[in-house]
Amino acid sequence: EPEVTQTPSHQVTQMGQEVILRCVPISNHLYFYWYRQILGQKVEFLVSFYNNEISEKSEIFDDQFSVERPDGSNFTLKIRSTKLEDSAMYFCASNLDGNTEAFFGQGTRLTVV
Amino acid sequence: KNEVEQSPQNLTAQEGEFITINCSYSVGISALHWLQQHPGGGIVSLFMLSSGKKKHGRLIATINIQEKHSSLHITASHPRDSAVYICAAHGSARQLTFGSGTQLTVLP
Repeated sequence: EPEVTQTPSHQVTQMGQEVILRCVPISNHLYFYWYRQILGQKVEFLVSFYNNEISEKSEIFDDQFSVERPDGSNFTLKIRSTKLEDSAMYFCASNLDGNTEAFFGQGTRLTVV
Repeated sequence: KNEVEQSPQNLTAQEGEFITINCSYSVGISALHWLQQHPGGGIVSLFMLSSGKKKHGRLIATINIQEKHSSLHITASHPRDSAVYICAAHGSARQLTFGSGTQLTVLP
């Protein structure tokens, strides 16, 4: 069964460092998303991506964040200068046309120290 | 902005019990998702529905569009059903707005 894969599963980084979280969406899906979940809180939307550009973004997704689809399979989230409050589980998701069922990766747990 | 509320926040049941988790939302939606999150953190999609009812094994999801309310039912609950169950609303924008989740614990 096709699945969304995320790497790494866990990343620890020093405050101020750049991190790149990687995702491989399901191959025929066209819409890609990043969500995050701070420990004990709701899952929150960060950004959606379609046709090689950002479709929508939340107020959380400020200039410190960027997304890219560097090739035909990977979808990345970069945080330029990590802060302690960026510590969270980051989920990648994809769906076929934006209005169909979304499939989630297993998440990357980012810990900023 | 859509507000998605779930109840209860925590639910403990004995194995075999019938379980209901409720979800309400404030703004009209195109679809509602029910998701399951296990202790490791991964999220699995259970249902996506825009009207009526869907059934998969022991899980049943219903939605009432007029009342802006959905329920997830688990029949003959089992300890392996223990997880966090999350509803998420799919509005006019393509992203999901999530509820805070219901922590379900089923005791043997």
